[in-house]
This record gives sequence, C-alpha cells and structure tokens, in this order.
Amino acid sequence: KQEVTQIPAALSVPEGENLVLNCSFTDSAIYNLQWFRQDPGKGLTSLLLIQSSQREQTSGRLNASLDKSSGRSTLYIAASQPGDSATYLCAVLLYGNNRLAFGKGNQVVVIP
Amino acid sequence: DVKVTQSSRYLVKRTGEKVFLECVQDMDHENMFWYRQDPGLGLRLIYFSYDVKMKEKGDIPEGYSVSREKKERFSLILESASTNQTSMYLCASRVDKGGKSNQPQHFGDGTRLSIL
Repeated sequence: KQEVTQIPAALSVPEGENLVLNCSFTDSAIYNLQWFRQDPGKGLTSLLLIQSSQREQTSGRLNASLDKSSGRSTLYIAASQPGDSATYLCAVLLYGNNRLAFGKGNQVVVIP
Repeated sequence: DVKVTQSSRYLVKRTGEKVFLECVQDMDHENMFWYRQDPGLGLRLIYFSYDVKMKEKGDIPEGYSVSREKKERFSLILESASTNQTSMYLCASRVDKGGKSNQPQHFGDGTRLSIL
C-alpha cells in the first residue's frame, strides 16, 4: 500500500522567505504526483501535476520537483506572502490504480 | 475551467435520517470520488465511480452508499445518519480516458455535515 508522508505537519515562516515543503512516498511506481492547496473550510485546489517522466513543473512562484528513485517531491514557493498561508497536500497516483494516495498535508502560516 | 459543484456547503441532520449529498461536474469526467476529511485523519476515500452505474468501495464505505445514474452526477447517501458521520465531505472528479490520465483531479468546495 502506498504511504505518503508530509513532515512537518505545521510550519511558520516570515514573509519574503522561500517555502520548502517535502513529500515522501513508499512506492516509486507512480504515474504522477499532484500538489494541492486547501484553505480553511474549503475544497482542494490543484497547484501542479508532475508526470512520472518529468523532473519538475513550474507555475509562477511555485516549483515542484520529483525524484522517483528516492520517493520524494519538493514544493518550492518563492518569496512567500501572507496569502500563501494554507494547507498544502501532495498525492500520488500509482500505475494500474484509479485512486490518489494523499499525505496529511503541511499547514503553513506566513507571518507578515 | 473544470467545475465540481456540491449541492450544499453546510447541512445539519438528525440521527437516523437518510441523507443525500449531491455532486455535479461539468467536464464529462469518467472518474468521480467521495472523500471525508477529519482533523488528524486526513482525506479518506469512501467510494468512487469510473463510469455510469459503476462504483467501487474505498477505504471507509461502511454506512454509506452511492449512486451514479448520469455521468455528470455522483450522489453519496448516508443510509441512517449517525453522529460519527459528522465531517467535511469532499467530492472530486478526474478525466481518465483509456485508464490513463495525466490530468489533475478537481475538487468541489465541500459540504460540512453535522449530525445531531
């Protein structure tokens, strides 16, 4: 069974610092990996999807990398802003599987 | 943009009632999912459907059933609501043509359900 881990569960950073969020998974036979953002009391918003053949994806201030062999993905958010405060979840889709396996998320607070 | 719409943002029901949660997506996606989210437990899959009238159990199907009569609509049913089903319920959809998809999964805004 695929296990997805995100540590730490919560972190705070001062505004302007770069955010680095880590996601690890146990089964490297992934089809893709997706990063989501969740604001309190809301649904999940897709941020980036990395296919298994890719090493990274970028969207604006966000960059996600993927290292399948080590079972890791990292989400970088450059020059963090208070509006980046949210919970960030990663999820992986395995080959031959129809369902995402989710981590429990990193709750981020950006301090003005 | 993909739109996944859940019929209610907040819902309060009584123990023993039959509860229906509705979800509609507008992008002709094959796959639809129902999750519940609880503090400390993360997202847990209840049921999913990969086609009309098709369904598969997720990790916690007990006490729930689902219905998918049309491709765009996926309903979650609490047969006899109990207080331990108080939770945030999230619906999601994803395109999956030919069993392969590198398209993102999209979520609704969630339904906060309270069972009294």
